[in-house]
Amino acid sequence: DVKVTQSSRYLVKRTGEKVFLECVQDMDHENMFWYRQDPGLGLRLIYFSYDVKMKEKGDIPEGYSVSREKKERFSLILESASTNQTSMYLCASSSDRVVAPLHFGNGTRLTVT
Amino acid sequence: QKEVEQDPGPLSVPEGAIVSLNCTYSNSAFQYFMWYRQYSRKGPELLMYTYSSGNKEDGRFTAQVDKSSKYISLFIRDSQPSDSATYLCAMSSGGSNYKLTFGKGTLLTVNP
Repeated sequence: DVKVTQSSRYLVKRTGEKVFLECVQDMDHENMFWYRQDPGLGLRLIYFSYDVKMKEKGDIPEGYSVSREKKERFSLILESASTNQTSMYLCASSSDRVVAPLHFGNGTRLTVT
Repeated sequence: QKEVEQDPGPLSVPEGAIVSLNCTYSNSAFQYFMWYRQYSRKGPELLMYTYSSGNKEDGRFTAQVDKSSKYISLFIRDSQPSDSATYLCAMSSGGSNYKLTFGKGTLLTVNP
């Protein structure tokens, strides 16, 4: 069974802090994704990566960056956290860029105060 | 017009009822269709996956795709309290387009 593990379930950070969200998958998947999920807005893609050291912007990349130094690990970075980045962050992986379904982690609930 | 529309509910049914969840879409290039189930405080998990038009059945769950009407459905037979969750539809055009477009989800409660 694919396991996608997000390092923190809950995080509370202050405005202006640099925040790192970590995600690890154990199935040797090429592709990894970061989404945020907000009530009434659904799931929105922030960034994705289809190979080590490769990254592409999703629909809402502003205020975020990512890092993929190893195949199994994909990090989301909030350079200077703001209150409008309070959200549920979901990491996902897939074996195929085009047609394979996503396997999600259980999310990190980030609150920025 | 939004690319994918999904009735947010909430939908509340008694145990044993047949549940119908639906999504409509506007992009005729979509050909891969998925349903995800998300329990409270968990990530979404894949429930059903279909390609192009037609039906797919898995136990109590049936996914239906009507590309001519740009309409997909998920039916749950003999619904159980353990089916209480948010159901998200998702779709993709495939090809060189990686992108999975999600509906906003329908919250379902099955009452014992």
